[in-house]
Amino acid sequence: GDSVTQMEGPVTLSEEACLTINCTYTATGYPSLFWYVQYPGEGLQLLLKATKADDKGSNKGFEATYRKETTSFHLEKGSVQVSDSAVYFCARQNTGGFKTIFGAGTRLFVKA
Amino acid sequence: NAGVMQNPRHLVRRRGQEARLRCSPMKGHSHVYWYRQLPEEGLKFMVYLQKENIIDESGMPKERFSAEFPKEGPSILRIQQVVRGDSAAYFCASSPPSGSSGNTIYFGEGSWLTVV
Repeated sequence: GDSVTQMEGPVTLSEEACLTINCTYTATGYPSLFWYVQYPGEGLQLLLKATKADDKGSNKGFEATYRKETTSFHLEKGSVQVSDSAVYFCARQNTGGFKTIFGAGTRLFVKA
Repeated sequence: NAGVMQNPRHLVRRRGQEARLRCSPMKGHSHVYWYRQLPEEGLKFMVYLQKENIIDESGMPKERFSAEFPKEGPSILRIQQVVRGDSAAYFCASSPPSGSSGNTIYFGEGSWLTVV
């Protein structure tokens, strides 16, 4: 079935370091791809999304490019801040559909 | 515009009791989703509903769990005869009735169920 695989955490970085969180998806159809972020004790919030191949989603300094050839949607940020500490979820949604499947989540710790 | 509202935020039940979790979607949203997050685990899809209809319940356990989204009122996730393994955070999400790609779903803050 449809699935999303993302790198295991936790990821621990120093402030201003570069971040990459890998995400790959099953290639059934042409899904839309998302990154959501979850802060402690809260629900998930949309961070960015891309709906077709080669699209780049971006928000708050985070970026991810929809790579059909490698079925990937890696999350990147050039310089992380302590406030970026959270759990990041990669997700896919089939074209024209609503059901969204999430990866296992990657916890990020950023040290001052 | 209020977001997705879930209640209760925290619920404690003894083994064998029933748990009822409520979710009011965002205004104008007709699609509701329930997800379960076990401690230190990811988010697992449970069920997707539209008003008065269950569209996809492929993630729902076969026994003890049920969900509804009536014409009037909130969506309800019901867990009968709870066991310790049901202890988790249950998240509700909603989305508008758009047919386009990349439908963002909006999450509530979750209901934390503890079974003692």
